[in-house]
Amino acid sequence: DAKTTQPTSMDCAEGRAANLPCNHSTISGNEYVYWYRQIHSQGPQYIIHGLKNNETNEMASLIITEDRKSSTLILPHATLRDTAVYYCIVRVVRNTDKLIFGTGTRLQVFP
Amino acid sequence: GAGVSQTPSNKVTEKGKYVELRCDPISGHTALYWYRQSLGQGPEFLIYFQGTGAADDSGLPNDRFFAVRPEGSVSTLKIQRTERGDSAVYLCASSWGQGGDQETQYFGPGTRLLVL
Repeated sequence: DAKTTQPTSMDCAEGRAANLPCNHSTISGNEYVYWYRQIHSQGPQYIIHGLKNNETNEMASLIITEDRKSSTLILPHATLRDTAVYYCIVRVVRNTDKLIFGTGTRLQVFP
Repeated sequence: GAGVSQTPSNKVTEKGKYVELRCDPISGHTALYWYRQSLGQGPEFLIYFQGTGAADDSGLPNDRFFAVRPEGSVSTLKIQRTERGDSAVYLCASSWGQGGDQETQYFGPGTRLLVL
């Protein structure tokens, strides 16, 4: 079973920041938080991952709470192309284990 | 560089038939994964290869499903006696397989299987 809970769906206006929450209250000390997204009819795409510090890359920012029980993926300036299902996953990064997906958050960016 | 490729992109077959789905991983990636995705659900793990060997096949639903990776590169997922419930998108992913901090799985576009 997935170790995360996410809202089923969210809306965001184009150009605004999209903040996608994820709850992972049972996360272990050696587990990272990963985010993938899946645009319609495509395979999942890696976005970002982190352990306890906030992370930023060219796609997004990841904010992890101090107790690590929840996190937020931030798309700073959402575009219509960011419309997708976003998956939050926890896993031990120092192995090559499978990813366990939940049902994710369907983000709809509107004009 | 080239990403993960999967063929065919779409496959329609009849109940009871045999199908093969192919995955070409990113060059140099030693780890290869198969997932299955039903409509409205997240991908579900099927099997994971490290090199030529199946390191974890705990996700295969039954003995009608089998996968091989004979030379440690291309993999084939084989489904015997297909059933309508096998209809889904079959996704393949690959990664370096070294288990480090940057271990990331890269997915192909998937094969959409429809069993009539």
